[in-house]
Amino acid sequence: GAGVSQSPSNKVTEKGKDVELRCDPISGHTALYWYRQSLGQGLEFLIYFQGNSAPDKSGLPSDRFSAERTGGSVSTLTIQRTQQEDSAVYLCASSGTGGGYGGNQPQHFGDGTRLSIL
Amino acid sequence: DAKTTQPTSMDCAEGRAANLPCNHSTISGNEYVYWYRQIHSQGPQYIIHGLKNNETNEMASLIITEDRKSSTLILPHATLRDTAVYYCIVSRVTSNTGKLIFGQGTTLQVKP
Repeated sequence: GAGVSQSPSNKVTEKGKDVELRCDPISGHTALYWYRQSLGQGLEFLIYFQGNSAPDKSGLPSDRFSAERTGGSVSTLTIQRTQQEDSAVYLCASSGTGGGYGGNQPQHFGDGTRLSIL
Repeated sequence: DAKTTQPTSMDCAEGRAANLPCNHSTISGNEYVYWYRQIHSQGPQYIIHGLKNNETNEMASLIITEDRKSSTLILPHATLRDTAVYYCIVSRVTSNTGKLIFGQGTTLQVKP
């Protein structure tokens, strides 16, 4: 079946502009995650949506970053007033809901949006 | 979530088994061990995960020690396409704390 789809695959924009990144999760997956990976760095958690629960926003680096998930499916990550340090690959992942204690559904990732701020 | 320790890099000959170690000495009883890999310019790819028992799927085998303080990912017949960064992650992944914490991983180079 189709995997996690992200668009655009590449985005180049000028400093100070706003950008929107889109994620289409795997159909039926209730959990959706955003991460980012800066050049030569590991993946950094940004935000996590699970069903109708309040999202875990603990990884968002500043109030310029926000995300929403409409209808429990598609998600949009918005970065306002972009800065050069926002340049990174932004990755989206989704997972099903594990049952019982611990929950063990793995996350499946898209190939990311490569964001470059000039 | 427990931290993990992995070697920075490893080499493996094509066709041979690749054994990637991971230490997670502070793992809790409700934490799973996950393995992902990331091939250049792609998103991380889920490989396998386990709690206590050894696990095997079409990609790899996961061997978890009895005390659960370490594990080994085994790629039985490595190919050049297995060259990637391999991440060992320990996570509870409950309904409200779904984030994975990625370390620097092990860069596996499969050589002809």
